[in-house]
Amino acid sequence: DADVTQTPRNRITKTGKRIMLECSQTKGHDRMYWYRQDPGLGLRLIYYSFDVKDINKGEISDGYSVSRQAQAKFSLSLESAIPNQTALYFCATSDGQAANYGYTFGSGTRLTVV
Amino acid sequence: GDSVTQMEGPVTLSEEAFLTINCTYTATGYPSLFWYVQYPGEGLQLLLKATKADDKGSNKGFEATYRKETTSFHLEKGSVQVSDSAVYFCALSGYSGAGSYQLTFGKGTKLSVIP
Repeated sequence: DADVTQTPRNRITKTGKRIMLECSQTKGHDRMYWYRQDPGLGLRLIYYSFDVKDINKGEISDGYSVSRQAQAKFSLSLESAIPNQTALYFCATSDGQAANYGYTFGSGTRLTVV
Repeated sequence: GDSVTQMEGPVTLSEEAFLTINCTYTATGYPSLFWYVQYPGEGLQLLLKATKADDKGSNKGFEATYRKETTSFHLEKGSVQVSDSAVYFCALSGYSGAGSYQLTFGKGTKLSVIP
């Protein structure tokens, strides 16, 4: 099993619908992140959490919300999806030694909003 | 704030050619530096890292040296293969306060290797 699992892998949804992307990890890391990847723009941080009681906005949090249900689970919600939220979404985890070991990434969720 | 600049792609090379992907950074203090690789349809995987000046990271034939004087961490490989076709991301780990570090990523460089 993968260390960081994202579900679903692919999703097509309609404008205005609420959708949740889920992430779970078996690394035992306390820190979790949600990124969005768009062609030519690289990775942009949406939200991050350093523990269950800690949630922080990243550079592009508008239109998104998150929930840290447990140390191992971090979900991303689009309350009312719009077409420009079509992108590849990645969850990542790290421990307190990110400076030395970097992040571990999931395989991504490809979201299409029509 | 911290930033990472990579050469824009796409880069197309013939098999066995020499690869260089340039990466420069701006950061306070002494960040750790990373290269990640993203194969088609997959997430990012750590390729190599260097945690202090003059360190050389290496893996799978790829190398990069942490150059503090030029704030650079260029990725090199002497002979690329078709299987190296992927998107490569340079990243730094910068201090974000309260004892925490976060990664800042470059925009990625797409490499295509043709037989």
